[in-house]
Amino acid sequence: DIVMTQSPDSLAVSLGERATINCKSSQTVLYSPNNKDYLAWYQQKPGQPPKLLMYWASTRDFGVPDRFSGSGSGTDFTLTINSLQAEDVAVYYCQQYYSTPFTFGQGTRLTIK
Amino acid sequence: QLHLQESGPGLVKPSETLSLICTVSGGSTSSSNYYWGWIRQPPGKGLEWIGSIYYTGRSYHNPSLKGRGTISVDTSKNQFSLKVNSVTAADTAVYYCVTVHPVDTGMLRTPGYFQNWGQGTLVTVSS
Repeated sequence: DIVMTQSPDSLAVSLGERATINCKSSQTVLYSPNNKDYLAWYQQKPGQPPKLLMYWASTRDFGVPDRFSGSGSGTDFTLTINSLQAEDVAVYYCQQYYSTPFTFGQGTRLTIK
Repeated sequence: QLHLQESGPGLVKPSETLSLICTVSGGSTSSSNYYWGWIRQPPGKGLEWIGSIYYTGRSYHNPSLKGRGTISVDTSKNQFSLKVNSVTAADTAVYYCVTVHPVDTGMLRTPGYFQNWGQGTLVTVSS
């Protein structure tokens, strides 16, 4: 199984500042034939189901604000939230869909400082 | 807009079978545009993929359930379902049904990222 490890486990950032969440996979999730990283990011607000933010590591889903961006390739990925808003308080998960069983990171809890 | 709704018992006794149904609206379970899947989240914990199924019946399951999980699609009712047998307290979780965007992997279209989520239903395993 591919193990996904996020860092940090929790993060407190001031409103308007930048939040950075890292995700590392135990093996590559880059599929060479199409040069795509099979990695997604999700946001889960309290009491709600997760919401897809990003797929192919850096493609925002419909309606996701452009202050959210994804980067990285291979085994190391980053989710960046610029100009943090109060509504961004949530737990964020990365997930690989390169091979089954599909696996998630343990989650990063983002709060306001 | 595609909408998913989970339904089923909220309480299941140990050693019995957990059965959940996901009703799809705004889309068709016979569509090639999606896989259909289940994900669970124990209270206060992270996310675990259970399995995904295509309209053709091709399915993928997480070995962590040790063969106890079965996913099926009923295109006549526009529903898909999950059964987990021989449940224990470790199966207590919020269960989400999801649409899974297919991705190209070699000659196959395999399950990819989880695009739409139901609200989730809490299933507690307890006597």
